[in-house]
Amino acid sequence: DQQVKQNSPSLSVQEGRISILNCDYTNSMFDYFLWYKKYPAEGPTFLISISSIKDKNEDGRFTVFLNKSAKHLSLHIVPSQPGDSAVYFCAASASPETSGSRLTFGEGTQLTVNP
Amino acid sequence: NAGVTQTPKFQVLKTGQSMTLQCAQDMNHEYMSWYRQDPGMGLRLIHYSVGAGITDQGEVPNGYNVSRSTTEDFPLRLLSAAPSQTSVYFCASRNRQGGLTGELFFGEGSRLTVL
Repeated sequence: DQQVKQNSPSLSVQEGRISILNCDYTNSMFDYFLWYKKYPAEGPTFLISISSIKDKNEDGRFTVFLNKSAKHLSLHIVPSQPGDSAVYFCAASASPETSGSRLTFGEGTQLTVNP
Repeated sequence: NAGVTQTPKFQVLKTGQSMTLQCAQDMNHEYMSWYRQDPGMGLRLIHYSVGAGITDQGEVPNGYNVSRSTTEDFPLRLLSAAPSQTSVYFCASRNRQGGLTGELFFGEGSRLTVL
């Protein structure tokens, strides 16, 4: 029972264009969402997060959108750069506090940005 | 500037052997956790700890033991390795407050193969 799903295993975009990575969740108790980026042979690193009291959070080229009624969130990267090529994981928890102890991850999406 | 350190980075075991994956963090974080990453399944929580002397099970705890005798260390023990435990293992930590984002800090991973 996958509570956090990333339905696209891979995504390929051209440099300078927008990358949109999607994530769906089924557990209505989830209230806090994060995106992690992972390069090969490295651990995941935090990218951006959003609380359910917001529908958008922006940090430079990265914006996360949350649609609670649809149980859907997305990560937009504009403009995309070749260095953004990595696996992106969506993750969820019941609160920012429990995100340290119980974080549920999606399967990941491999983003490739072509020069 | 060590952060979260995992050893070993690579290990090959035979079925039935035991071993311990080591994890140490130097950030004085209360929360520590172990995840495994398998293709198409994202990261799944094995065990976690909210402080020294306190541990709890995650999503996939069977076949693994943990202990937390100090704040810094959180070893993961495989008592009798099975091929199904072939995976990449990540240790992560966070302080109790989680800052503004609740992000986890991950180690670089330990790749385990069980023959």
